[in-house]
Amino acid sequence: QKEVEQDPGPLSVPEGAIVSLNCTYSNSAFQYFMWYRQYSRKGPELLMYTYSSGNKEDGRFTAQVDKSSKYISLFIRDSQPSDSATYLCAMSAWNNNDMRFGAGTRLTVKP
Amino acid sequence: DTGVSQDPRHKITKRGQNVTFRCDPISEHNRLYWYRQTLGQGPEFLTYFQNEAQLEKSRLLSDRFSAERPKGSFSTLEIQRTEQGDSAMYLCASSVASQRASYNEQFFGPGTRLTVL
Repeated sequence: QKEVEQDPGPLSVPEGAIVSLNCTYSNSAFQYFMWYRQYSRKGPELLMYTYSSGNKEDGRFTAQVDKSSKYISLFIRDSQPSDSATYLCAMSAWNNNDMRFGAGTRLTVKP
Repeated sequence: DTGVSQDPRHKITKRGQNVTFRCDPISEHNRLYWYRQTLGQGPEFLTYFQNEAQLEKSRLLSDRFSAERPKGSFSTLEIQRTEQGDSAMYLCASSVASQRASYNEQFFGPGTRLTVL
């Protein structure tokens, strides 16, 4: 079993839809939870990070962490074609040095 | 552009050859990381440096792989006697680590895509 599990999709939604992306993990030592966006042939870029459990909102993006269930989510409201990318969840135990990534979910938002 | 840069962007080599990649981090970033990403997978941590010191190496980093950061600025990753299984995207990231903050955001470069024939 991988430390971080993420459904690779692909996921296709119409423009304006609410997108839900999820990851599960097995290592209870993880404290930092990140979501990265990766466009084709580019490096990942950080969207949001959360420390421990709770919710965090940034514009159209909301990240949720439930440490009791070892489950994290990213919601994208009013999705746009420019949101089409691969979304990677990542986690680390402390100080964010050794990040463990999920496989990434490929999202397509159709106009 | 003041982001992380990597060179070359693409490298095609024959099995058994040695290859070297370079990463230039964001100026003033004291930490530098190397990751490997294969098709359809997320990045896998290989190693990281704080200044010129290599502080952690993954078990994925076999003895054919060596990384250096001689002056605490740019870094090189060398793969000796390449194998077809080494074909992947090699990503570099940098961050600023400080005692005041427990979280330090890693900024990624565009990667070097290696193809071993």
